[in-house]
Amino acid sequence: EIVLTQSPGTLSLSPGERATFSCRASQSVSSSYLAWYQQKPGQAPRLLIYGASSRATGIPDRFSGDGSGTDFTLTISRLEPEDFAVYYCQQFGSSPPYTFGQGTKLEIK
Amino acid sequence: QVQLQESGPGLVKPSQTLSLTCTVSGGSISSGPYYWSWIRQPAGKGLEWIGHIYSSGSANYNPSLKSRVTISGDTSKNQFSLKLTSVTAADTAVFYCARVSYHYGYMDVWGKGTTVTVSS
Repeated sequence: EIVLTQSPGTLSLSPGERATFSCRASQSVSSSYLAWYQQKPGQAPRLLIYGASSRATGIPDRFSGDGSGTDFTLTISRLEPEDFAVYYCQQFGSSPPYTFGQGTKLEIK
Repeated sequence: QVQLQESGPGLVKPSQTLSLTCTVSGGSISSGPYYWSWIRQPAGKGLEWIGHIYSSGSANYNPSLKSRVTISGDTSKNQFSLKLTSVTAADTAVFYCARVSYHYGYMDVWGKGTTVTVSS
């Protein structure tokens, strides 16, 4: 099983600042199969990034993804008030289970 | 656009079987290239992939749940279903159904989720 470890656990920032989220895999993950999601309280997750760096439909360009192998990053270039949420990475490897990271909570400082 | 809606009992007794259905509108579960998946999330915790079914009817499951899980599809109703047997309090969670890209594995359409509590 591929374990995804996200850091930090909590990120405290202010609107307008830059946010960087890390996702590290226990073994190499094809970039094609790494996705990022945003989840707000009481809501289902929303797809932000797929294929490590491709934005999903309707996602603003302040969201970007990068990385390869075992290290992946999600960046929000300039935080808007609606961006404060929990962020998850997810991998879809060659065999199940298809795992999620434990999440990073982005909170307002 | 494609929409998913979970339905089923909100309360299940320990040792019984949890059964949920996901109704798909705006698209067909029998047309690829998608998997149709179940994911769960205990309160205050992270996301756990339970399993998925392909349009052919073939399914894959999380090994940690494989002995207790069955996912099946009903193309006539455009629905897919989850059965989880021998439930305990540890199975209490919000259950989501989602559409999964066959080629890239991302989950691009989600249901709103349904809460299932296991309690006597």
